[in-house]
Amino acid sequence: DGGITQSPKYLFRKEGQNVTLSCEQNLNHDAMYWYRQDPGQGLRLIYYSQIVNDFQKGDIAEGYSVSREKKESFPLTVTSAQKNPTAFYLCASVDRGSYNEQFFGPGTRLTVL
Amino acid sequence: GESVGLHLPTLSVQEGDNSIINCAYSNSASDYFIWYKQESGKGPQFIIDIRSNMDKRQGQRVTVLLNKTVKHLSLQIAATQPGDSAVYFCAENRNSWGKLQFGAGTQVVVTP
Repeated sequence: DGGITQSPKYLFRKEGQNVTLSCEQNLNHDAMYWYRQDPGQGLRLIYYSQIVNDFQKGDIAEGYSVSREKKESFPLTVTSAQKNPTAFYLCASVDRGSYNEQFFGPGTRLTVL
Repeated sequence: GESVGLHLPTLSVQEGDNSIINCAYSNSASDYFIWYKQESGKGPQFIIDIRSNMDKRQGQRVTVLLNKTVKHLSLQIAATQPGDSAVYFCAENRNSWGKLQFGAGTQVVVTP
């Protein structure tokens, strides 16, 4: 089955620790995205990547970092510099030429203790 | 600043009735407007999009209307079913690279 997966589903972190969220897709999509969703709010773009070894900051990139070493993988690191990291994180990918139809993973709920 | 927003945070609809979800936008330069559905605890799913040079587009049980004069977007769901209970987001695509700008969402609750 083709799809996009995120792991873990739930993640707990102590203050001051970095944590990496996984995102993998086997849809052969070039572009991948990371969004943050807070309760009762829409999605805000953290980082996006249009092609391997290239990525750009979104609207709320401070305190986050990404890498895109492989087409199918786009991990997100939440660093200790992110002041309010507790949120629901969503990864998405899209086929070039169909940018409106983003395919989302199931999300990772990060809680900072 | 420029934004995409929603008129109603929660919409309660009786099963079998039609639903209308509204969205206001302020950026006239957007190429596309899109609707997504997010069920509880899941990632959003694409429903339908409409290009800025159109005023209506129909899908399966859904219709999107775009009124550029008043910068208003709506999603109509025909014969609403329990499975339609979800949060619905409007979004706009302002460039060619899929940098979508999402609204805050409307919770649709379908009652029996």
